[in-house]
Amino acid sequence: SQKIEQNSEALNIQEGKTATLTCNYTNYSPAYLQWYRQDPGRGPVFLLLIRENEKEKRKERLKVTFDTTLKQSLFHITASQPADSATYLCAPWGYNKLIFGAGTRLAVHP
Amino acid sequence: EAGVAQSPRYKIIEKRQSVAFWCNPISGHATLYWYQQILGQGPKLLIQFQNNGVVDDSQLPKDRFSAERLKGVDSTLKIQPAKLEDSAVYLCASSLDPTLPTNYGYTFGSGTRLTVV
Repeated sequence: SQKIEQNSEALNIQEGKTATLTCNYTNYSPAYLQWYRQDPGRGPVFLLLIRENEKEKRKERLKVTFDTTLKQSLFHITASQPADSATYLCAPWGYNKLIFGAGTRLAVHP
Repeated sequence: EAGVAQSPRYKIIEKRQSVAFWCNPISGHATLYWYQQILGQGPKLLIQFQNNGVVDDSQLPKDRFSAERLKGVDSTLKIQPAKLEDSAVYLCASSLDPTLPTNYGYTFGSGTRLTVV
C-alpha cells in the first residue's frame, strides 16, 4: 500500500535560517504533490502544488522540489520567522485521492 | 470568499451514542471530502462526494459511519454507535475538480473535535 514518510521529530531552527522538510513516498507515482500548513486547532491550509514534470516551484519564501526518481519532495522556508511555526503536511496525489503524511512540526525560535 | 463552515466545533459523547457533523463547502466547489485526523497523524479520507454522488468511500467504516450530501451542497457525517477509537478531529474540505491540478488545492474547515468517553 502507499506509504508517506515525513520527519516525525519536530524541527527546531533559529529565526532567519532556512528550514528544510522532507517527504518520502513509496509504492506509487503521484502525478502531483501538495504541501499544506496546519496550525493547532485549525484545518490544513494549502501552500503549494508541484507537478511530476516540474523540478522546483517557488512562492515568496517557500520552495518545493519534486524528485520522482528518489520519490521525494523537499519543502524549504527561507529567512524563517517565528510565525512560520506550525505543522507542515505533504500530500501526494495518487489513486484518485490526496494521501496525507503525518506532518512535521516546525518551531522557529527568535 | 467565505470558507468551509463546520459545526459543531467540539463534541463530547459517551460510547455507543450517536453524533452528527455538518459541513457547508465553498460555493461552486463540486467536490466535498470528509477526513478523520487522529492526534499525531495526517488526515485520512473517509468519503468523497462529487456533487451529490459518492466517488470514494473505501475507508468509511460503513457499519457505523454514514454520510450524505443532499442537493450537492451541504453534507452531514454521522457516527452510530460511536466507539472510543472514533475520538478524532473530523475535517470537511472542498475543491474544484481534483483530477485537474490547480494552484488552489483543497479548502478545509476548522474541523469538529470529537471526544468519545
